[in-house]
Amino acid sequence: SQQGEEDPQALSIQEGENATMNCSYKTSINNLQWYRQNSGRGLVHLILIRSNEREKHSGRLRVTLDTSKKSSSLLITASRAADTASYFCASDNNNDMRFGAGTRLTVKP
Amino acid sequence: NAGVTQTPKFQVLKTGQSMTLQCAQDMNHEYMSWYRQDPGMGLRLIHYSVGAGITDQGEVPNGYNVSRSTTEDFPLRLLSAAPSQTSVYFCASMGLAGAVGELFFGEGSRLTVL
Repeated sequence: SQQGEEDPQALSIQEGENATMNCSYKTSINNLQWYRQNSGRGLVHLILIRSNEREKHSGRLRVTLDTSKKSSSLLITASRAADTASYFCASDNNNDMRFGAGTRLTVKP
Repeated sequence: NAGVTQTPKFQVLKTGQSMTLQCAQDMNHEYMSWYRQDPGMGLRLIHYSVGAGITDQGEVPNGYNVSRSTTEDFPLRLLSAAPSQTSVYFCASMGLAGAVGELFFGEGSRLTVL
C-alpha cells in the first residue's frame, strides 16, 4: 500500500502563479522529502524537512510539516514553464522511504 | 560524476525468462534500494540494503531477489518474469553517515514482460 497520498493528483496553472501540493503519510517519520520527476527521467531531490521542523525554504520552494496531522505541503512560488513535472513526497521512517503517487504539475507559458 | 548507473535502460522479456537489472553507484553510499513505478502510482519499494552483505524486503518483494556483495553494486534479479512485473524500475542510493540523507536516483530501466 502507498505510504503517502498527494493532493491534488494533477494541477494546471499559468506561469507566474503559485502552486501548492499537499501530502499525507501514515506512520511516524524521521523526515519528509520532496522529489521532482521530469517525464521519463529519474527523481531529483528538492528539499528535506526534519520531523522537528515546521517550515523550510529553499529558493522558490517552501515546505511545511504538521506531524500532528501527518501532512506536508510544498509551495512553488512564481512558477515557470520549466517547473512542469511530477512532484512526489517521500516519508523516511528509519531509512524505510515510502513515496506517494505524486502530483502532476503543468505550468502554462 | 557518474552517480547511480542502471543497465539496461530498456528490456523486453517473455513470461518465465530470467534477467538481472544492474545498479552501480560511485558515491560510497551505504544504502541502496530498488523501486518500481507503475502508471498513476508512486514508487514502491522492492528491496533495500544498508550495507554490503545486508538486504531487506520492502513493500513488494515477491518475484525479486537481491544481493549486496560490494558497496558499489546492488543487482535486482527476476527469476521467472511475469507480465505483472512490467514496470519502470529505479535504483537509488543514499549515504548514511550523516543524520539525514537524500536519495540519489538512476535514470530508470523500462521492463516489458510479454
